[in-house]
Amino acid sequence: AQSVTQLDSQVPVFEEAPVELRCNYSSSVSVYLFWYVQYPNQGLQLLLKYLSGSTLVKGINGFEAEFNKSQTSFHLRKPSVHISDTAEYFCAVSKGNTGKLIFGQGTTLQVKP
Amino acid sequence: NAGVTQTPKFQVLKTGQSMTLQCAQDMNHEYMSWYRQDPGMGLRLIHYSVGAGITDQGEVPNGYNVSRSTTEDFPLRLLSAAPSQTSVYFCASSWTGENTEAFFGQGTRLTVV
Repeated sequence: AQSVTQLDSQVPVFEEAPVELRCNYSSSVSVYLFWYVQYPNQGLQLLLKYLSGSTLVKGINGFEAEFNKSQTSFHLRKPSVHISDTAEYFCAVSKGNTGKLIFGQGTTLQVKP
Repeated sequence: NAGVTQTPKFQVLKTGQSMTLQCAQDMNHEYMSWYRQDPGMGLRLIHYSVGAGITDQGEVPNGYNVSRSTTEDFPLRLLSAAPSQTSVYFCASSWTGENTEAFFGQGTRLTVV
């Protein structure tokens, strides 16, 4: 069975510092991986996705993630965060050709001035 | 561009009442899903559809019904509301089932008292 684990429920960080949000997945088959962001009182929007090819994927707002098959990880990084990056971040894996997503528990990124 | 539209945005129900959460998309997506979001649990799949006339259960289907009579609409029905159904509900749609972005509505915040 597929599952997704986000290793940190909250990550506090100061503005302009680097940040890494960790995500591990389990799957016995090829996976498609996604990071979504949810700003307060809004829906989810896609940050980036890994489908195939280069293991380093770049997304919107300066975020990037690295797919590591041997460690079954898909960690999200940003070299310098802004106050506006304060949000909840979800890692997800697609499940079969059904449109279904399996989400991690979410990580709240709190950027402090 | 409307994208995925959910109504209502907020709703308070009494235990035992029924209601329908509406979801409509204007992107001609075949795949649609309903999730509920609860603190510390990420998003969990309630029901999904791979096309008009085809629906199936997700991870937490009890107490909910769906139907998909058109490509555009995917309503979620609460049959007899319970306090455990207090949650934020998100509808999502995607073009294909596996490797494309899912688009989310703004959510419906439901409180059952």
